[in-house]
Amino acid sequence: NAGVTQTPKFQVLKTGQSMTLQCAQDMNHEYMSWYRQDPGMGLRLIHYSVGAGITDQGEVPNGYNVSRSTTEDFPLRLLSAAPSQTSVYFCASILEGNFRGLEGNTEAFFGQGTRLTVV
Amino acid sequence: DAKTTQPPSMDCAEGRAANLPCNHSTISGNEYVYWYRQIHSQGPQYIIHGLKNNETNEMASLIITEDRKSSTLILPHATLRDTAVYYCIVRVVSLLFGNEKLTFGTGTRLTIIP
Repeated sequence: NAGVTQTPKFQVLKTGQSMTLQCAQDMNHEYMSWYRQDPGMGLRLIHYSVGAGITDQGEVPNGYNVSRSTTEDFPLRLLSAAPSQTSVYFCASILEGNFRGLEGNTEAFFGQGTRLTVV
Repeated sequence: DAKTTQPPSMDCAEGRAANLPCNHSTISGNEYVYWYRQIHSQGPQYIIHGLKNNETNEMASLIITEDRKSSTLILPHATLRDTAVYYCIVRVVSLLFGNEKLTFGTGTRLTIIP
């Protein structure tokens, strides 16, 4: 059981380049999300998905696109990277007990992070 | 979701109990209290959650005041590996899709001192 797998772990981009951060989970979780973490800011939600084919914006969605064609994968795309997107990115999936009538039984599993630098 | 307030940093001696406070004075009746921690450079890790009763698991205990406006995470015998940033989160748990976001604040940086 691999849990949540993020790739790559490190990436350097030039301003204007595009790239996709990959996130995959093998736990059959419906809910997946992307966060970015910056010094002194905590974790901020970028986009999230409550199931295949369903996505929605979080707190800081500008400059990022997502899609959820399968339950397992939730890629995050930067179409035109900017220095302000330099950050550490975390993908998470949640075992949502609600979906099974276990209210409150929620645990989020996080990937190990992607450290992105845009120069 | 209700906001939370935590001290930015705390120290605790190794082997002692670490008590991490969290204020959530605007918590609603249908919001749970969750605790996560993040060890340096790793993804956040779930610790424990509760609604109104005190909870205990293999990692920690969670004490929620009767009015639910504050809570305390207790690590009973802190070790050096417990050095991390600890996040207190309150969130609504809903049967409806789309209400499953986790909102993290800046947390408490706990340092365990040998």
